[in-house]
Formats: sequence, structure tokens, C-alpha cells
Amino acid sequence: DQQVKQNSPSLSVQEGRISILNCDYTNSMFDYFLWYKKYPAEGPTFLISISSIKDKNEDGRFTVFLNKSAKHLSLHIVPSQPGDSAVYFCAASDAAYKYIFGTGTRLKVLA
Amino acid sequence: NAGVTQTPKFRVLKTGQSMTLLCAQDMNHEYMYWYRQDPGMGLRLIHYSVGEGTTAKGEVPDGYNVSRLKKQNFLLGLESAAPSQTSVYFCASSLQIITNQPQHFGDGTRLSIL
Repeated sequence: DQQVKQNSPSLSVQEGRISILNCDYTNSMFDYFLWYKKYPAEGPTFLISISSIKDKNEDGRFTVFLNKSAKHLSLHIVPSQPGDSAVYFCAASDAAYKYIFGTGTRLKVLA
Repeated sequence: NAGVTQTPKFRVLKTGQSMTLLCAQDMNHEYMYWYRQDPGMGLRLIHYSVGEGTTAKGEVPDGYNVSRLKKQNFLLGLESAAPSQTSVYFCASSLQIITNQPQHFGDGTRLSIL
């Protein structure tokens, strides 16, 4: 049973527009959420995180929103750039050491 | 500025052979992890370690063993490789003090079992 779900395998967005990547989770004990970005032949790199005590966290062009009642988080990228084209994974944790990852969304930003 | 280094990067094995994947980190991180990534499955945790000399099972531990004899190294072993273990393996480390910290990943080992 997938505890962290990314239901959109792929997303295409025009350069300069907003990219919205979504993630749903089922375990109400998760209290820390992260987004990672992955380029081909490289390991995932950390992008942004949010604690369950917050509903929004911003870092430059990247904003993560958390809706605990809906068990849903989203990553907004504004404006989108061609270099943002990658696979994005969301991850969740209910302890200090264990992370559950979603299946990933491939974002393509069109120039 | 090496971060997390995985060796080898690629390997082809025959069914039944054994091998060890090495992960080394130079960030003095306490926590280390081994994941496998398969198409459509995301990253699944195989084993992890919360400190030197400790290991624990993750989501998919069967067929794998690990050891953490030194803080900077985390070894993943396949005793008798099976085609189902064909995957890309990622090692990660993190510094966990009081609050959660993000993981730093290596670039992966692509393993094929024939």
C-alpha cells in the first residue's frame, strides 16, 4: 500500500509559467515532508521541506504548501525554467530516520 | 567536496553471484540509508543505520545484508543475486540532531542481474 502518492507521472509547462506538482499521503503520523529533484544519472537532491506545524514554506522560486486535513502537499515553481526539467519526488517522515518516497513526477519545462 | 560516494557505478552479475556495494560519506553524518529505485516504484528503503555499529531493516530488506563498521561507510551486500534485484541503488546520509534533516544522496549504482 503506497503511503505517499504522486498521481501525475508527468507534467509539461511553458517556460515562465507556474508548475504545480502534487503529492498525497495516507499516514496521519507523518510530520515532516520534503521535495527532491532528480536529473538523469544523478542522485536526488534536496529542494525544500515543510514541517507539519506549518502550512507554507518558501525558498526563492519554490513554495511548498501543506494541507493536513486533506493529507495533501504541493510544490509550486514560479516562474518555471527549462533547467527545472527533472523528476520530482515528494517524501514524508514520521520519525527522525525513516522517509517514504512517492513514485515521482517528471516535469518538462518547454522553452 | 565529495559528499556521498558510491562504488561501483555500474555492475553486471550472474544469478547466484555475490557482491558488495560501498557507500562512503565525508560529512560526519550519523544516519545512512540504502534505497532501490525501480520504474514506477519510487525509492524504497532497503536498510538503514542510525550510527556506527547499528543497522535496521527498511521496507524491502529481503535478499540484502548491510554493515556499518565505520561511521563514514555503509556497505550493502547481495549474498546470492537474483534477477529481481536488478535496480538502481542509492545511498544517502543525513545529520539528525533534534529536528529532521534532509538526506544527501550519492549518484547511484546501476546493477543488472542476468
